[in-house]
Amino acid sequence: DIVMTQSPDSLAVSLGERVTINCKSSQSVLYSSNNLNYLSWYQQKPGQPPKLLIYWASTRESGVPDRFSGSGSGTDFTLTISSLQAEDVAVYFCHQYYDSYTFGQGTKLEMK
Amino acid sequence: QVQLVQSGTEVKKPGASVKVSCKASGYTFTSYNIHWVRQAPGQRLDWMGWINAGNGNTKYSQKFQGRVTITRDTSARTTYMELSGLTSEDTAIYYCVKERPWFDSWGQGTLVTVSS
Repeated sequence: DIVMTQSPDSLAVSLGERVTINCKSSQSVLYSSNNLNYLSWYQQKPGQPPKLLIYWASTRESGVPDRFSGSGSGTDFTLTISSLQAEDVAVYFCHQYYDSYTFGQGTKLEMK
Repeated sequence: QVQLVQSGTEVKKPGASVKVSCKASGYTFTSYNIHWVRQAPGQRLDWMGWINAGNGNTKYSQKFQGRVTITRDTSARTTYMELSGLTSEDTAIYYCVKERPWFDSWGQGTLVTVSS
C-alpha cells in the first residue's frame, strides 16, 4: 500500500495568516501517460463527513474558496490556505487514488 | 445536487454482523462507483471496498476481504455494506462515497458501535 504521511500533525495559526500543510507519498502518484497526480485534499469539521477541496493535486473543487490551493507532483504535495479564516478550523487530510486508496493521518488546524 | 443518505446508528455485539445502507440521489446512479470508507476513533480513514453501481462488480481491501460484502439495488438507488465477525476494533463511523475517481461526495456517516 502507498503510505501517505502528513506534516505537521497539528498547527495553530492566527487569523489572516498563511497556512501550509504537507503530504508525502511513499511512492509516486503521478501517472505518466496523462501527467496527472492522483491526489486529493479534504477538510473535515467535527461531526461532519470530509469535504472535497482539491483533486488532481491542484484543481479546486467547484464552490471551494480560492484561498485554498494545492501544489506538488510525484511524491510531495502541499495544501495552502492563503489567509486563514475562522471557518477554516478543521482537520485536513490528503488521499491518493493512484493505487488502491489510502489517506494521510490528518493535520489538525486551530486558531491561535 | 448529489446526496448520499445513510442508515442510522447501530449497536452490535461481538461476533455479529451489521448492514449499512446508502441511498443516492441527484445523479445517474449506475454511472459511478460507490466506495465504503471507515473512520475509527483516533485512526486515519480506511478504505474498505467499492462497487460498480452499473454492473455490480466489486473490489475489496485485503484488510476486510472475507468479512465485507458490498451490494446494490439499482431500482432503489441504494448501496449496502455488510461487515461480519464484528469486534470492538470495528467500532467506527462508516461512510459511503461516490467516486469521480477522487471521492467527491460523502454520506453523512453511520456510527457502528461494537460492545458486549
